[in-house]
Amino acid sequence: GESVGLHLPTLSVQEGDNSIINCAYSNSASDYFIWYKQESGKGPQFIIDIRSNMDKRQGQRVTVLLNKTVKHLSLQIAATQPGDSAVYFCAENQGGSEKLVFGKGTKLTVNP
Amino acid sequence: NAGVMQNPRHLVRRRGQEARLRCSPMKGHSHVYWYRQLPEEGLKFMVYLQKENIIDESGMPKERFSAEFPKEGPSILRIQQVVRGDSAAYFCASSPEADANTGELFFGEGSRLTVL
Repeated sequence: GESVGLHLPTLSVQEGDNSIINCAYSNSASDYFIWYKQESGKGPQFIIDIRSNMDKRQGQRVTVLLNKTVKHLSLQIAATQPGDSAVYFCAENQGGSEKLVFGKGTKLTVNP
Repeated sequence: NAGVMQNPRHLVRRRGQEARLRCSPMKGHSHVYWYRQLPEEGLKFMVYLQKENIIDESGMPKERFSAEFPKEGPSILRIQQVVRGDSAAYFCASSPEADANTGELFFGEGSRLTVL
């Protein structure tokens, strides 16, 4: 089965709040992780990535945290906006492989 | 500066027919990946190709499915004798040769196959 999964299938937040989307992985050999955003009817869009030698990386309004001890990955979105409504997938590159393994996704809904 | 181009965007086939999905990678990209996505699910890896070579087809069904990425022209995912269970969105992604090991893939908008 998939080694990358998500704790919550849906998340609903108020506009302006911070969002936290979680992801668990089971393959300790994975050395690269990516978060993708997928809007309805569109292809996945890269948000942010992180390598296994890091535990935190920040982008514009987004932060990814990696906890290798418990094999946990999270995506934090600051000041969530309606345009952030989408399905968010975490994906891992399992060391030595050039393919990404995707989780099932979390649907984020931002309420005005 | 076109991104990954997939066509057709929507395809309807009857059971037993053939489906051909095309993917033109981003300019300068020589690595192509095909993924399948069922409704409300994540993307499942199917096959990874470089020009004229299949590198990893571990996610592709052994029967009815084939993929190619010729020296000239787009990558083709071919599904023969389609069945209703083949109905899904098929996404193509590409990566540049220099950054293939970063794992970042650039996705197209997908081809949505419906089998009647």
